Amino acid sequence: GAGVSQSPSNKVTEKGKDVELRCDPISGHTALYWYRQRLGQGLEFLIYFQGNSAPDKSGLPSDRFSAERTGESVSTLTIQRTQQEDSAVYLCASSSPDREVHEQYFGPGTRLTVT
Amino acid sequence: GNSVTQMEGPVTLSEEAFLTINCTYTATGYPSLFWYVQYPGEGLQLLLKATKADDKGSNKGFEATYRKETTSFHLEKGSVQVSDSAVYFCALRLGTGGFKTIFGAGTRLFVKA
Repeated sequence: GAGVSQSPSNKVTEKGKDVELRCDPISGHTALYWYRQRLGQGLEFLIYFQGNSAPDKSGLPSDRFSAERTGESVSTLTIQRTQQEDSAVYLCASSSPDREVHEQYFGPGTRLTVT
Repeated sequence: GNSVTQMEGPVTLSEEAFLTINCTYTATGYPSLFWYVQYPGEGLQLLLKATKADDKGSNKGFEATYRKETTSFHLEKGSVQVSDSAVYFCALRLGTGGFKTIFGAGTRLFVKA
């Protein structure tokens, strides 16, 4: 595809359930990022993948959050035992190492609502 | 630590007014600086960037100059349009040690006709 895609676009779940969010980066982009954007707030860094290197997980807010990426393709962000404070838009971005400044291309996001 | 601080919104302007959105940063090393824009209902997209001190990024009539002495990267536009209504995010990417990008909280701009 031409851009970063994410699915689902919207997810409503009950408190305590697990959810899985998916990101398809732009083909050839070796770097992939997950961010969280709470209503009316800025972007909160969650995790970063770069090729086969160990991911930078420094932004994950708790051990209920985890993410995986297979090679340089799809990534999934999993939130276990969801809480109401997890409600937010989860954004994925990818970038290419070939560009000098590693511009990030963002997907449309997944809006998660925990009831 | 590394951080980005930008002016709180919302900012409300009339069409053709002059726009300034302040952004200051704290960083170790020599970061690259960015402005991203999020139009209503759309994803974030890069607006402009600067990679070293005194560089000026520009796009769509917007400009920002990388000022190392004041650690600032203020966004300006001489004459805003209704279509510029959006949320603007200032961001920095550290120059070494990885590609982690730190974003400001965002500033919402409303432009009235």
